[in-house]
Amino acid sequence: AQKVTQAQTEISVVEKEDVTLDCVYETRDTTYYLFWYKQPPSGELVFLIRRNSFDEQNEISGRYSWNFQKSTSSFNFTITASQVVDSAVYFCALSDYNAGNMLTFGGGTRLMVKP
Amino acid sequence: KAGVTQTPRYLIKTRGQQVTLSCSPISGHRSVSWYQQTPGQGLQFLFEYFSETQRNKGNFPGRFSGRQFSNSRSEMNVSTLELGDSALYLCASSLAPGGSNTQYFGPGTRLTVL
Repeated sequence: AQKVTQAQTEISVVEKEDVTLDCVYETRDTTYYLFWYKQPPSGELVFLIRRNSFDEQNEISGRYSWNFQKSTSSFNFTITASQVVDSAVYFCALSDYNAGNMLTFGGGTRLMVKP
Repeated sequence: KAGVTQTPRYLIKTRGQQVTLSCSPISGHRSVSWYQQTPGQGLQFLFEYFSETQRNKGNFPGRFSGRQFSNSRSEMNVSTLELGDSALYLCASSLAPGGSNTQYFGPGTRLTVL
């Protein structure tokens, strides 16, 4: 069975601070995909990144970076120099190769960035 | 390119009624999935359609059903509404099924059952 755990339910930081959102996953499959989505107050889930299980390279996109470690089943997300516009709920999700489009989501982390 | 659109955006119904929600995928996307989001259960997978066929279904009662049309547009239906069906219903589209295809989400339909 698939499971995604985001232990941090809420994080509050002051603008310009760096913040890391944790994600730990469980799956029996050797081929799987990991995702991060952002949900602003408007409700729409905005895609941020997809990683497959064979690609453990870390990725950086502007102020965002992701650290994928299969050894610890973690896929953590770091925002550098946070901004107020980063305030949102962030979801980590997992899709097994044989699960079609079914995404298993973590409970989400609410990030509040204060000016 | 236009994103995923969902109609209506807000809906208020009473217990026992039924409701139909609509989703238009991104142009060229043939796979559509539906998710329910509630404060208590979080985001849960409802079902997935590709080429007008349901390929996968989550753990929801038979009151929840859906379909996909030849133009890839999809509808979901909830019959005999219960208070617990109040939720944000999100539709996502992708080029094809499978985790290698990223799902893009619409703005959702917020359903309130009174």
